Amino acid sequence: DADVTQTPRNRITKTGKRIMLECSQTKGHDRMYWYRQDPGLGLRLIYYSFDVKDINKGEISDGYSVSRQAQAKFSLSLESAIPNQTALYFCATSDFHGTSFPGELFFGEGSRLTVL
Amino acid sequence: GQQLNQSPQSMFIQEGEDVSMNCTSSSIFNTWLWYKQDPGEGPVLLIALYKAGELTSNGRLTAQFGITRKDSFLNISASIPSDVGIYFCAGQKGSQGNLIFGKGTKLSVKP
Repeated sequence: DADVTQTPRNRITKTGKRIMLECSQTKGHDRMYWYRQDPGLGLRLIYYSFDVKDINKGEISDGYSVSRQAQAKFSLSLESAIPNQTALYFCATSDFHGTSFPGELFFGEGSRLTVL
Repeated sequence: GQQLNQSPQSMFIQEGEDVSMNCTSSSIFNTWLWYKQDPGEGPVLLIALYKAGELTSNGRLTAQFGITRKDSFLNISASIPSDVGIYFCAGQKGSQGNLIFGKGTKLSVKP
């Protein structure tokens, strides 16, 4: 089983619908992130959380919200989806106090969202 | 926002050739990292660099942290088909700063 699991892996929805992407991790990491990937634009940070109850905006947070329900769970919501939110979304974790390389992120397999 | 300029955007090479890609920035970073994204998967860390001038290898991969702290390069020697994917550079300021990612270099290898 993957250490960082994202659901759903693929979703097609219509403009105006509410969508939630979920992320859970078994790595025991304290930090969790949501990134968006668009062709030719790389990875852009949407929101991040250093602990439960800690929520921080990233570079492109407009139109998105997040919830850190537990240390292992971090969900991303689109309250009213629009076509330019069509993208590949990645959840990632990091462990500031652990043994991984400083700066190392562990990514899920991605959630492909299409908004029609 | 801050940007990393990663080049080239894409490369089409023959199996066995060497590959070179680089990242530059107008800002100084304390850490440079290189990630690879295989098709259909999330990025995975290849090499991390923490000191200006540092040269680090991981198998056929070699990366360097530029002496000015504003650039880094990644070389892949004797490419093989499984090197196909998107390579991202990332810079970090301080020990707690979020990563800034380059736009990626898409590598295609012809057998």
